[in-house]
Amino acid sequence: DAKTTQPPSMDCAEGRAANLPCNHSTISGNEYVYWYRQIHSQGPQYIIHGLKNNETNEMASLIITEDRKSSTLILPHATLRDTAVYYCIVRVAFTGYSGAGSYQLTFGKGTKLSVIP
Amino acid sequence: DAMVIQNPRYQVTQFGKPVTLSCSQTLNHNVMYWYQQKSSQAPKLLFHYYDKDFNNEADTPDNFQSRRPNTSFCFLDIRSPGLGDAAMYLCATSLRPGGEQFFGPGTRLTVL
Repeated sequence: DAKTTQPPSMDCAEGRAANLPCNHSTISGNEYVYWYRQIHSQGPQYIIHGLKNNETNEMASLIITEDRKSSTLILPHATLRDTAVYYCIVRVAFTGYSGAGSYQLTFGKGTKLSVIP
Repeated sequence: DAMVIQNPRYQVTQFGKPVTLSCSQTLNHNVMYWYQQKSSQAPKLLFHYYDKDFNNEADTPDNFQSRRPNTSFCFLDIRSPGLGDAAMYLCATSLRPGGEQFFGPGTRLTVL
């Protein structure tokens, strides 16, 4: 799987949009971009994923550049409960099971987002 | 609500004393995963089950074993815990390999 690069930390004012960048310059054509977050002392939580089109769900929006070498996760109105470590992960699309190592989530260091009152 | 449950949330064991962590799911997912997360580090996959098919990651120590007696339950056995095995252990499930993973709250293991 391609590696990702994220800033180690970011601050965001409560109520403002949080824009979390991720670089994945070696991403392959069959690799998706996934975002998970981990609130302190909890398990990671799936947020959103996409291949090349922008995606939106009830939690966030995902903007992927046309060359797919970077993406931005947008939390439109950050709240204190959004304070967490956000992980950007790229992973190949499922084309058939091949045992150990297939389709695993390889977590990088992530971005620690602090939402400030 | 469908969910992934881990018991206990906190486990204390002694150096070298076998310990078992449990995970159950009500999602009826085919795949169950065990991750290890040490302090201030990202989660690291230890192994996973796809139905009854067990898949061990190449760098998972032999000290770690797993059992999946049925679809709903999966256990992590640490045969002889060392001080370096103190960590948060996370269980996750997905409907299929490559699918969105749902994580439990984790079990924090302390080794004395």
